[in-house]
Parts: sequence; C-alpha cells; structure tokens
Amino acid sequence: EPEVTQTPSHQVTQMGQEVILRCVPISNHLYFYWYRQILGQKVEFLVSFYNNEISEKSEIFDDQFSVERPDGSNFTLKIRSTKLEDSAMYFCASSEQQGVNEQYFGPGTRLTVT
Amino acid sequence: SQKIEQNSEALNIQEGKTATLTCNYTNYSPAYLQWYRQDPGRGPVFLLLIRENEKEKRKERLKVTFDTTLKQSLFHITASQPADSATYLCALVQAGTALIFGKGTTLSVSS
Repeated sequence: EPEVTQTPSHQVTQMGQEVILRCVPISNHLYFYWYRQILGQKVEFLVSFYNNEISEKSEIFDDQFSVERPDGSNFTLKIRSTKLEDSAMYFCASSEQQGVNEQYFGPGTRLTVT
Repeated sequence: SQKIEQNSEALNIQEGKTATLTCNYTNYSPAYLQWYRQDPGRGPVFLLLIRENEKEKRKERLKVTFDTTLKQSLFHITASQPADSATYLCALVQAGTALIFGKGTTLSVSS
C-alpha cells in the first residue's frame, strides 16, 4: 500500500541553525500538508500546498518557515533559524483531493533544537 | 475560530467491552468530521469520515455518529481488543483544507 515517507526520522540542531525536513507524498496525490505536534499537545496545522503554491497557512507558519516541491516527488519544509520552541514532531501529509478527503500522514520527523 | 473538545483524556476499559469516545465542537457545524488513530511516536492514521447529512457510519467494529444539533460526534469501538489501545483524534476542516484536531482520547484496553 502506498505511504508517505519522511526523512530524517530524528534531527538534532542548534538554535539559530537552518533545517530542512523532507517528505515524499503518495505519488498520485495533489495536496500536501505539514503539521506539527509539540510533545503532549495536539496536532497543529502549519501549511497546505497545491499546484506549486501555498493554498493555506496557519499563524504558526511565519516568515521563518518555507515549503517547496523541488522536483516531482519531494516536498520539503525549511525552518530558517530554529528556536527552542520549534522542537516538535513534524508530520507531512497528502491527499488526493481538496475538501472531503482523508489525509495520509507520514511517520514524522522528530526535531530537537538545543 | 472552531474549537474541538475531546472531553476524556484517558479511557480504560476491559477487553470485549464497547469503548465510546466523545468529540464536541463549537461554532459552525462542519460539512464533515474525521476520526484518526495515533500510536505513540507515529503519525495519525485515518479511520472514518462522516458527513453532516449522515447520522451514522460503520466500518467493521467501528461506528461514528454525528449530531449537528448537539455539535457532537461519538466514536464507538465494539468488542474492543488490547490492539485497539491508542490515542483517537477527532478532526474537522475549518476552512479550505486545514484539519483542526482535538487533543485526543487515549484508550487503554486491558485483557
């Protein structure tokens, strides 16, 4: 069964450094998302992406965040200057269509900012 | 903005019993509501979707109801098994495509 994959599974970085989290969505899906989950808290929406542009973003997704689909398979989340509070699990998800459609989540990247 | 409350953080039941989890939301009624399962350290896994014009949806041992008057969805697992132990998340779309999740209810099924 097709699945969303994410790399790395765990990333440790120092405060102020840039990180890039990578995702390979399911191949025939058109909508891509990033969510984060701080330890012990709920899953929070960051951004959605369709047709090579951001379609929606939350207030968490400020100027230090960016997303890109550099080729036909990868979808990346870049955090330019990491802060301690960026430590969280970051989940990539994809869906076939917008609207009434389930989202398929990857296994996540645990980001630890020290 | 829309808020979701899953009013039990933890639910402990015995194997074979029916687990019932509650999801309440505020503000407007969404066109549909979704339930996901999340195991520790893993991403959410889609389980069921119910639309506002559907009162009930079933999939194997799972049943979801949706009451737009009460602004509530109930999620039932019948004949529960230890393998059903996980956190169950209620989610709805606020606008566009963003899923808004509840904090989840952690179900523990003991044998």
